[in-house]
Amino acid sequence: EVQLVGSGGGLVQPGGSLRLSCAASGFTFSNFWMSWVRQASGKGLEWVANIKPDDSEMYYLHSVRGRFTISRDNTKNSLYLQMNSLRAEDTAVYYCARESTDGYNSFDYWGQGALVTVSS
Amino acid sequence: DIQMTQSPSAMSASVGDRVTITCRASQGISNYLAWFQQKPGKVPKRLIYAASSFQSGVPSRFSGSGSGTEFTLTISSLQPEDFATYYCLQYSSYPYTFGQGTKLEIK
Repeated sequence: EVQLVGSGGGLVQPGGSLRLSCAASGFTFSNFWMSWVRQASGKGLEWVANIKPDDSEMYYLHSVRGRFTISRDNTKNSLYLQMNSLRAEDTAVYYCARESTDGYNSFDYWGQGALVTVSS
Repeated sequence: DIQMTQSPSAMSASVGDRVTITCRASQGISNYLAWFQQKPGKVPKRLIYAASSFQSGVPSRFSGSGSGTEFTLTISSLQPEDFATYYCLQYSSYPYTFGQGTKLEIK
């Protein structure tokens, strides 16, 4: 069974840092692109970043580029999102999601979400 | 960036109704389009990928169509469990972008 388990959320002050983790199981993690998607309370979904299976390519939402870093450890079947210089508008539930191996069959599995609150 | 314009933003319908939700892309995205259902407090659930490919386990009353810039999600006969918010997502080019959502409520 495919599982994605997110962790690492919490309360952080503006300008602070936080690292989210997503533990994957039930599939060959090293074959799949992986993404982070976020959702502010009462708002819509927003794609944040993704990473290629061999971590040779990463892509970001404009508003987080330079502040957030996506990474992965295929030996630990884990995905990460390092978030620096956090702002109030980064407050959201952050989901990890599995993309595809073929470019089409994407976003089929999602983690349960980790709540990040940026507030003083 | 590609803008995804989803319509309507909200609608009310009755059990048994046929419902269509539309997403328009600001530029062509081939068929790199997925549809999701989200209920309050829950994780989004993928219904359709590659514009019209069925997600295993999703009821057959859900279908998707379109290519290029215009896409539709159709629910052929609404069931009580279908009342939720629906989102489209383009994953053709970066940054990936979601539609703003369609909240489907009971009439």
